[in-house]
Amino acid sequence: DQQVKQNSPSLSVQEGRISILNCDYTNSMFDYFLWYKKYPAEGPTFLISISSIKDKNEDGRFTVFLNKSAKHLSLHIVPSQPGDSAVYFCAASVVQTGANNLFFGTGTRLTVIP
Amino acid sequence: KAGVTQTPRYLIKTRGQQVTLSCSPISGHRSVSWYQQTPGQGLQFLFEYFSETQRNKGNFPGRFSGRQFSNSRSEMNVSTLELGDSALYLCASRLTGGFSYNEQFFGPGTRLTVL
Repeated sequence: DQQVKQNSPSLSVQEGRISILNCDYTNSMFDYFLWYKKYPAEGPTFLISISSIKDKNEDGRFTVFLNKSAKHLSLHIVPSQPGDSAVYFCAASVVQTGANNLFFGTGTRLTVIP
Repeated sequence: KAGVTQTPRYLIKTRGQQVTLSCSPISGHRSVSWYQQTPGQGLQFLFEYFSETQRNKGNFPGRFSGRQFSNSRSEMNVSTLELGDSALYLCASRLTGGFSYNEQFFGPGTRLTVL
């Protein structure tokens, strides 16, 4: 049972434009959400996170939006750069139980076209 | 500071064999988690060890086991390998457990192929 879903396996965007990656979740207990970036033959690298008490978190070109009522998370990258081309995973965790293990989506491959 | 290291990076085994994978966390990190990545299922949590004790376990059969040593290094073992165990096995370390999130840092993974 996939509790975190990324319904778009791939996304292509022109350099300089906005990339929007989406993620949906089903477990209302999730209280911490993250985005990871992954290159081939490397482990995922943490990008940005958001606690469930917030609806937006920004870090440079990256902004994560959380809509708890819709159980929806999105990552905005503005402006997109060719170096952003990678697979992006969203992940969620139930921190309040102390578990901290991450539930991952299946990933979206972003290609930024120069 | 050195990152999370995993050995070996690549492994080929045959069905029915067993395999042991190793993970050295970032210095000072006491928690080690293991994840399995497959094309169909994505990244799935296997288990987490903290202070040599398994404190959380995902939904995997008992053929998957692990342990953690006093220096926080961890090993995971898969017995009686099946073709479906072919995957990238990722280890992640974090500073501690507890009720506030602390970031997990991932290693490069061990690519296991079962023939």
